[in-house]
Amino acid sequence: NAGVTQTPKFQVLKTGQSMTLQCAQDMNHNSMYWYRQDPGMGLRLIYYSASEGTTDKGEVPNGYNVSRLNKREFSLRLESAAPSQTSVYFCASSEETGEGIYGYTFGSGTRLTVV
Amino acid sequence: RKEVEQDPGPFNVPEGATVAFNCTYSNSASQSFFWYRQDCRKEPKLLMSVYSSGNEDGRFTAQLNRASQYISLLIRDSKLSDSATYLCVVDNYGQNFVFGPGTRLSVLP
Repeated sequence: NAGVTQTPKFQVLKTGQSMTLQCAQDMNHNSMYWYRQDPGMGLRLIYYSASEGTTDKGEVPNGYNVSRLNKREFSLRLESAAPSQTSVYFCASSEETGEGIYGYTFGSGTRLTVV
Repeated sequence: RKEVEQDPGPFNVPEGATVAFNCTYSNSASQSFFWYRQDCRKEPKLLMSVYSSGNEDGRFTAQLNRASQYISLLIRDSKLSDSATYLCVVDNYGQNFVFGPGTRLSVLP
């Protein structure tokens, strides 16, 4: 039972380079999320997808794009990386109850450094 | 005011001690509340949900005060393995979660 799988685990980019972070879940969850975590800032929501075919901006969407390719996969793209995007990125998915979303399952994270 | 605020810590306590963490949230419409645990360089993992009536899971007790928009986590008989960062989590209109900055706990032998 893989849960949420993120790739890559580590990445170093030069300023201006682009890359895509991949995320896949095998729990048949409708909702998926991308967060970034910086020291002292906690986790901040970048984008989320409540269902296949829909995406919405979170708290810090600038500089990122996302694609909900199908129910399983939700990718995050940095078109032109900047040093301010150096962070740890977490993908998550959640199941829903009749009263809203239930707890997240996180992937193991991607440590991105932009030099 | 930040949406979710927590004691910054760190809390350094001896084994066997009781420690309590506090959290306040600003969105009075929030309906779901959780505590997550995050080990160093790992992903957050769900520790427990927080219910209006309060709930207990072994050595862990969570309390919610909706009127004061306040959540707490009590850990009794602390173990070395409890050393981690504890994240207070609140839902955002049922669409996603807002995380507090975390409180770091170190349990000392």
